[in-house]
Amino acid sequence: AQKVTQAQTEISVVEKEDVTLDCVYETRDTTYYLFWYKQPPSGELVFLIRRNSFDEQNEISGRYSWNFQKSTSSFNFTITASQVVDSAVYFCALSEPPSGAGSYQLTFGKGTKLSVIP
Amino acid sequence: NAGVTQTPKFQVLKTGQSMTLQCAQDMNHEYMSWYRQDPGMGLRLIHYSVGAGITDQGEVPNGYNVSRSTTEDFPLRLLSAAPSQTSVYFCASSYSTVGLDTQYFGPGTRLTVL
Repeated sequence: AQKVTQAQTEISVVEKEDVTLDCVYETRDTTYYLFWYKQPPSGELVFLIRRNSFDEQNEISGRYSWNFQKSTSSFNFTITASQVVDSAVYFCALSEPPSGAGSYQLTFGKGTKLSVIP
Repeated sequence: NAGVTQTPKFQVLKTGQSMTLQCAQDMNHEYMSWYRQDPGMGLRLIHYSVGAGITDQGEVPNGYNVSRSTTEDFPLRLLSAAPSQTSVYFCASSYSTVGLDTQYFGPGTRLTVL
């Protein structure tokens, strides 16, 4: 089973629409971290947010907001009033403690490609 | 700060050739890592290092070697390139172990193995 599932492979919306990208994760640990990264067509990976497992407060940053729900193991990302510049692949990722020796490792979902049509 | 830099940006190899992908960071980060990105697969961890002289394997380490002689540099070596290693490679770094800090990524190296 995937540790991070982004069920939406591709989404297309018209500019100014709101869009929510889903992320469901799986972990046995009580301490873990969740991330969202953006990969625009130019290819670089841009950090958007980090959230630890003890902080379930929703977060808003401009047009971006994140809804973290431990009860459903979800960390969804909403873009309000989407713009063409939001077109990118968005990755959700999970970091959890190692099972044995070693360090935390970041596990990525397969990504959701968002296309915003003008 | 230049952040995380990677060279080269593009590379074409023939099967069996060897090469080293370079990664450097100037942020005094302890943790560095290498990922590969394949279509529809997301990013998968190849190797990582929690400090100079310490490296460990990630999810897909076969065919790759790493070493960490300095805090700044973390090269990735392909000993005998195979077509299955055609991918985009990203290097990342963070101040401490990844769970406590955000990883910042380099611009990537696009590798094609013929």
